[in-house]
Amino acid sequence: SQKIEQNSEALNIQEGKTATLTCNYTNYSPAYLQWYRQDPGRGPVFLLLIRENEKEKRKERLKVTFDTTLKQSLFHITASQPADSATYLCALDPHSGGYQKVTFGTGTKLQVIP
Amino acid sequence: DTGVSQNPRHKITKRGQNVTFRCDPISEHNRLYWYRQTLGQGPEFLTYFQNEAQLEKSRLLSDRFSAERPKGSFSTLEIQRTEQGDSAMYLCASSLSGFEPQHFGDGTRLSIL
Repeated sequence: SQKIEQNSEALNIQEGKTATLTCNYTNYSPAYLQWYRQDPGRGPVFLLLIRENEKEKRKERLKVTFDTTLKQSLFHITASQPADSATYLCALDPHSGGYQKVTFGTGTKLQVIP
Repeated sequence: DTGVSQNPRHKITKRGQNVTFRCDPISEHNRLYWYRQTLGQGPEFLTYFQNEAQLEKSRLLSDRFSAERPKGSFSTLEIQRTEQGDSAMYLCASSLSGFEPQHFGDGTRLSIL
């Protein structure tokens, strides 16, 4: 069956360090993968999108990699700040016949400690 | 760009009652999505519209759930005869087209007494 796995355990990291979050998937052939941030009581906010033919994407302190052979995406936040504390969700579009039907992982909660 | 707006933000109701939620997408966005999210889980897809046409419904969307998007603008999600298991955050999102990032509202939190 199709599955998207993110670290269910919270990730605690010291301010200034690089946070690395993992998204693994099975039985998908995604056209692209997205990362969202979600704060408590709020809707997800889009951060980055990476397509299947791209290896890496960057935006300011954020970097996403996409390895379709390993079926894995890594999401990096460099020089992390307490304001980066949130839950981060990865989402896949499973090549669903030409229209967008995104499936979300369960998210990883990141806590940046001052 | 005023963002995606959802109303109400919170809804408390007794089991067996009907509830209706409203979503106002970003004005130029053709696509509108409804998701349900429970604590500790990611959003689960419920249904999606391309303009006024409802193009897909999840198996999660039982006969008690119905969604509409008249005139391709705002959308409503109605739950009839609510059950305890319907307690969740209901999220709406919109996008300009397929394969574009989705913009989410802050959801309606439904609590069933």
